[in-house]
Amino acid sequence: EMQLVESGGGLVQPGRSLRLSCAASGFTFDDYAMHWVRQAPGKGLEWVSSISWNSNSIGYAASVKGRFTISRDNAKNSLYLQMNSLRAEDTALYYCAKDIMLVSGSGSYFVYWGQGTLVTVSS
Amino acid sequence: DIQMTQSPSSLSASVGDRVTITCRASQSISSFLNWYQQKSGKAPKLLIYAASSLQGGVPSRFSGSGSGTDFTLTISSLQPEDFATYYCQQSYSTLTFGGGTKVEIK
Repeated sequence: EMQLVESGGGLVQPGRSLRLSCAASGFTFDDYAMHWVRQAPGKGLEWVSSISWNSNSIGYAASVKGRFTISRDNAKNSLYLQMNSLRAEDTALYYCAKDIMLVSGSGSYFVYWGQGTLVTVSS
Repeated sequence: DIQMTQSPSSLSASVGDRVTITCRASQSISSFLNWYQQKSGKAPKLLIYAASSLQGGVPSRFSGSGSGTDFTLTISSLQPEDFATYYCQQSYSTLTFGGGTKVEIK
């Protein structure tokens, strides 16, 4: 069974850092691009970042560019999101999601999502 | 980035009603448009991809249409389990989602 399990969320002060992880199982991890999508409390979905199967193609939303870094370890079937200089507006449930393609692009969509890990940025 | 505008932002409907949700892109996105359903406390679920292709396991009462800048998601006969929030998402360029449409019980 295909599964994505996020971890690493929690309460953090503004300006501090946090690293999220997503453990994948049930599929060949290095055959697919992966994404982080977030959802602020009571708000809509916001795409955050994507990484290709071989980490050669990476993209970020303007709202996080320069502060967040996506990475993956195909040997460990894991996806990561290093979040630095956190702001109150980064408070959200962070989902990892599996692309249907090797590289995120035209035609990408998400069939599989994790259940999310909650990040709260507050003093 | 391409902006996706959904309308309405919410609607009230009864079981058995035909429901239509629209999504407009700020520029042409061909048919690179996907629809998701999200129930409270759950991850989104893919309903439609490439504007009109029904994802496996999704009931046939759901359908999608459109191309270019204007798209619609139609639920032909609303069922109790369909009360949820629906999002469109474009993948023509840097991924963006619409703001969502909440479908509530009338």
